[in-house]
Amino acid sequence: QKEVEQNSGPLSVPEGAIASLNCTYSDRGSQSFFWYRQYSGKSPELIMFIYSNGDKEDGRFTAQLNKASQYVSLLIRDSQPSDSATYLCAVNQAGTALIFGKGTTLSVSS
Amino acid sequence: DTAVSQTPKYLVTQMGNDKSIKCEQNLGHDTMYWYKQDSKKFLKIMFSYNNKELIINETVPNRFSPKSPDKAHLNLHINSLELGDSAVYFCASSQQTGPNYGYTFGSGTRLTVV
Repeated sequence: QKEVEQNSGPLSVPEGAIASLNCTYSDRGSQSFFWYRQYSGKSPELIMFIYSNGDKEDGRFTAQLNKASQYVSLLIRDSQPSDSATYLCAVNQAGTALIFGKGTTLSVSS
Repeated sequence: DTAVSQTPKYLVTQMGNDKSIKCEQNLGHDTMYWYKQDSKKFLKIMFSYNNKELIINETVPNRFSPKSPDKAHLNLHINSLELGDSAVYFCASSQQTGPNYGYTFGSGTRLTVV
């Protein structure tokens, strides 16, 4: 059974701090890794994707992938109250559908 | 112009009824999906179609029947609705050929069975 694990949280950080969200996956054949943000009552929205080991930066967001440890993370710098949401980690192999973790709830206090 | 649109947005119905949810995408993607999100926010794949052909069919009761008349449309019909079917159902689409840039989700259909 392919699994994606996330700490459900809530993760609480003050405004301006760095939020660190973590995810582990069970299938070593996983090839693509995604982070989605979901506000309450809304649909998941893609934030970042990463395919290769290392870091990928996009604005205040950095995705980190370590395939040997089967670990992917998302760092949010200068966290804002508007970042408060549930963050979903998703992985897949070619030919399969995205498998999602149960999400981590982030709360940024002003 | 909405990329992935679902109708209806809300659906309240009684146990035992049959209902349908419709999905359309205008992104030119060749693959569409149905996901179910339960009360604990867990998103689980139900079905996937690639160019009108069923390619993924997870362990879903056969009361659920997807149908794709063309690659831009994917509908979900549910027979004999049960209380446990209450959830948010999301349609999504992606391009299977070339790099995987992730899925685009519709706004969801909140189904409540009473």
